[in-house]
Amino acid sequence: DAGVIQSPRHEVTEMGQEVTLRCKPISGHDYLFWYRQTMMRGLELLIYFNNNVPIDDSGMPEDRFSAKMPNASFSTLKIQPSEPRDSAVYFCASSLYSRGALNTEAFFGQGTRLTVV
Amino acid sequence: QQPVQSPQAVILREGEDAVINCSSSKALYSVHWYRQKHGEAPVFLMILLKGGEQKGHEKISASFNEKKQQSSLYLTASQLSYSGTYFCGTFYNQGGKLIFGQGTELSVKP
Repeated sequence: DAGVIQSPRHEVTEMGQEVTLRCKPISGHDYLFWYRQTMMRGLELLIYFNNNVPIDDSGMPEDRFSAKMPNASFSTLKIQPSEPRDSAVYFCASSLYSRGALNTEAFFGQGTRLTVV
Repeated sequence: QQPVQSPQAVILREGEDAVINCSSSKALYSVHWYRQKHGEAPVFLMILLKGGEQKGHEKISASFNEKKQQSSLYLTASQLSYSGTYFCGTFYNQGGKLIFGQGTELSVKP
């Protein structure tokens, strides 16, 4: 398996524009996480899905952020409109629920570095 | 709800030992440890489960004190390759919410 795949790797956009980040989890994994990483706030959990269903989106900072998982092999994180303070590295990760608990590792994609100017 | 790590940063010479701590104000179900090198994604190191089971695949050890709601990562005889930022991630129940601490930056010098 190629691992978790994110695209694009880098994105530079102007303030006010819509940004869509994409993630393909590892085949067979049933949990998908979106994280945002900044120097100030560290690795923040934005939202996570189980079997394509959003379970907890309490980390989504504002209504400008939205995430979807239309099927088991694809998820998107959208920011509309984007602002300079959204500049960060966004990671997607996937994992597998087994033996009655989430006791297996989370595999991270390489991240998308977003710069909003 | 975010676990607290200490220290925030540590500098070592090759061959020295280090301990990184992770504590929570809430009861923990399990603790994950990850290492992230600059410009790369976090990579799994170890899982410690409630009840004492430990899963990992590197020569790095860890402990999980359920009563104290703490975990510690032990790096012995450190190597240059150990440099990076270490994160603990916590689950508070059997569900999937994986929350990370703020990270500990480890630098190993020759």
